[in-house]
Amino acid sequence: DTEVTQTPKHLVMGMTNKKSLKCEQHMGHRAMYWYKQKAKKPPELMFVYSYEKLSINESVPSRFSPECPNSSLLNLHLHALQPEDSALYLCASSLLYRDLQETQYFGPGTRLLVL
Amino acid sequence: AQKVTQAQTEISVVEKEDVTLDCVYETRDTTYYLFWYKQPPSGELVFLIRRNSFDEQNEISGRYSWNFQKSTSSFNFTITASQVVDSAVYFCALRENQGGKLIFGQGTELSVKP
Repeated sequence: DTEVTQTPKHLVMGMTNKKSLKCEQHMGHRAMYWYKQKAKKPPELMFVYSYEKLSINESVPSRFSPECPNSSLLNLHLHALQPEDSALYLCASSLLYRDLQETQYFGPGTRLLVL
Repeated sequence: AQKVTQAQTEISVVEKEDVTLDCVYETRDTTYYLFWYKQPPSGELVFLIRRNSFDEQNEISGRYSWNFQKSTSSFNFTITASQVVDSAVYFCALRENQGGKLIFGQGTELSVKP
């Protein structure tokens, strides 16, 4: 089973709202990732968690706040977003992070629209 | 610097045609991994294949085949007898030795018409 689930599938929010995206995997993976993908572009890495600790923050604005409550769950808290933050947000997981051969498995994504 | 180039932005074929998606990469690492992912309109990136730099054997999986040529730094993907369900954006990616990041190409949008 290589399933990564994400909720919600779609989200519309105003610039003053606070919302959260959720990601879950039950494959025993210890690395989890958030990516942002704009239309017609490849995914861009935002954050990496390894063993529930933040390993990589790709200079993401503080209005995006990741959280990894346990090894199966990954959240992305959103606050005071801008319209340009509208995108597809993808979660991924892999068994380990630093292991070169590891494959990342992606969830279906959350399509976010900021008004 | 590590880089992946997918020169074909869009390809359109008619069902049952064969189609090859090109992927050229640059890296100074001697050990690296290459990946192909499929992204249908629903949005999920579906893992298709992983290939390490020491294994140059071609791989076939049903209608899909991959041609890895280290001499030309290419990892091309061929779909034989394409079907409408193959319509998607396909990404080639390189796993960076330092840092573990996936370096994606810009993607090729394949449209298979009935």
